[in-house]
Amino acid sequence: KQEVTQIPAALSVPEGENLVLNCSFTDSAIYNLQWFRQDPGKGLTSLLLIQSSQREQTSGRLNASLDKSSGRSTLYIAASQPGDSATYLCAVRETYKYIFGTGTRLKVLA
Amino acid sequence: GAVVSQHPSRVICKSGTSVKIECRSLDFQATTMFWYRQFPKQSLMLMATSNEGSKATYEQGVEKDKFLINHASLTLSTLTVTSAHPEDSSFYICSAFGGTDTQYFGPGTRLTVL
Repeated sequence: KQEVTQIPAALSVPEGENLVLNCSFTDSAIYNLQWFRQDPGKGLTSLLLIQSSQREQTSGRLNASLDKSSGRSTLYIAASQPGDSATYLCAVRETYKYIFGTGTRLKVLA
Repeated sequence: GAVVSQHPSRVICKSGTSVKIECRSLDFQATTMFWYRQFPKQSLMLMATSNEGSKATYEQGVEKDKFLINHASLTLSTLTVTSAHPEDSSFYICSAFGGTDTQYFGPGTRLTVL
């Protein structure tokens, strides 16, 4: 059974720092991996989608990498801002359904 | 881009009543939709897979008689929480899969059972 874990569970950093969020999964037979952002009480905002054949994707200050063989993905956020404060979720796709990670709650201090 | 809507966004009901939540794909046809629930400060847990024109597939531990799913058309799936109790209070999110590599998630429905 696929299990997705995110480390750290919570993170508090001063504004301007570069940071890395980690995601690990137990079964490497995935179609893709997606990173989401969730603000309190809100739905999901898709940030980056990495296909199983890809190694990384970039969007603005965000860069996500995927090492499928080792079951790991990282989300790199450059020059963090208070507006980046949210919960970040990674999810792996198996056939048609997504298995979500436990999430990292990020707080960027002004 | 593709949009998935949910209605209502918030609902408060008394214990013992039933609540229906709608999930619609607004500009594409969704042969498969998914229902997730999220407890406070926890991740999303897949409840069931809803397939147009056939019975839903429930994940282990999810009571199918408690959470009724109907996917009567290619743009609408409904989740009915029957005889709701306070422990059913949660954030319910649907997603729609239209055959591309991207699933589109709805904005969620906050259910509070008093």
